[in-house]
Amino acid sequence: GAVVSQHPSRVICKSGTSVKIECRSLDFQATTMFWYRQFPKQSLMLMATSNEGSKATYEQGVEKDKFLINHASLTLSTLTVTSAHPEDSSFYICSAREPAGGQPQHFGDGTRLSIL
Amino acid sequence: AQTVTQSQPEMSVQEAETVTLSCTYDTSENNYYLFWYKQPPSRQMILVIRQEAYKQQNATENRFSVNFQKAAKSFSLKISDSQLGDTAMYFCAFMIWLNRDDKIIFGKGTRLHILP
Repeated sequence: GAVVSQHPSRVICKSGTSVKIECRSLDFQATTMFWYRQFPKQSLMLMATSNEGSKATYEQGVEKDKFLINHASLTLSTLTVTSAHPEDSSFYICSAREPAGGQPQHFGDGTRLSIL
Repeated sequence: AQTVTQSQPEMSVQEAETVTLSCTYDTSENNYYLFWYKQPPSRQMILVIRQEAYKQQNATENRFSVNFQKAAKSFSLKISDSQLGDTAMYFCAFMIWLNRDDKIIFGKGTRLHILP
């Protein structure tokens, strides 16, 4: 089945640091990838939709200058949390969808981000 | 706007029993997909089962089956012969069909505990 790799799985860093998270589709081309944030015991909150070769579409309330998304190739999207602060600590998950219509999203294993 | 409602925040059943998780949704669209995702303590998102809205036959995957009632906008998940490994958060999800930027709308989830 389709595999999505997300890296790193765990990040601990100091406040003010920028952190980059990578999301790769390993065995299929993904024109569209999605970035989610999940707070403890809550559902996934869509942050943005990443389209290859164009600007990402951000959900309402998500700061695009804080969460930079780049989708430079058909198999890689990156999320950079710029100048991270403790309130940015969370679990971030990416997903990718195969191009054919109606395909489910395949999820990465997530990144646990802790800002000290 | 599409919404997904899971009315059971938490459930517990004994191992080997059958359990049904409920899900209702609201949409004015006619073509869409419905999914159940499982998120175990590892936090990996795993696709359990999917249903195309145009299909009347209920989807089944081994011990997992759905009861899809399109007119009632209901999409429940039945787990037969439940196992300890079924302990997880279960999310019902909705996606509009054949839209390049389609998003998955997730319910708030049902936390399922399988008791030994």
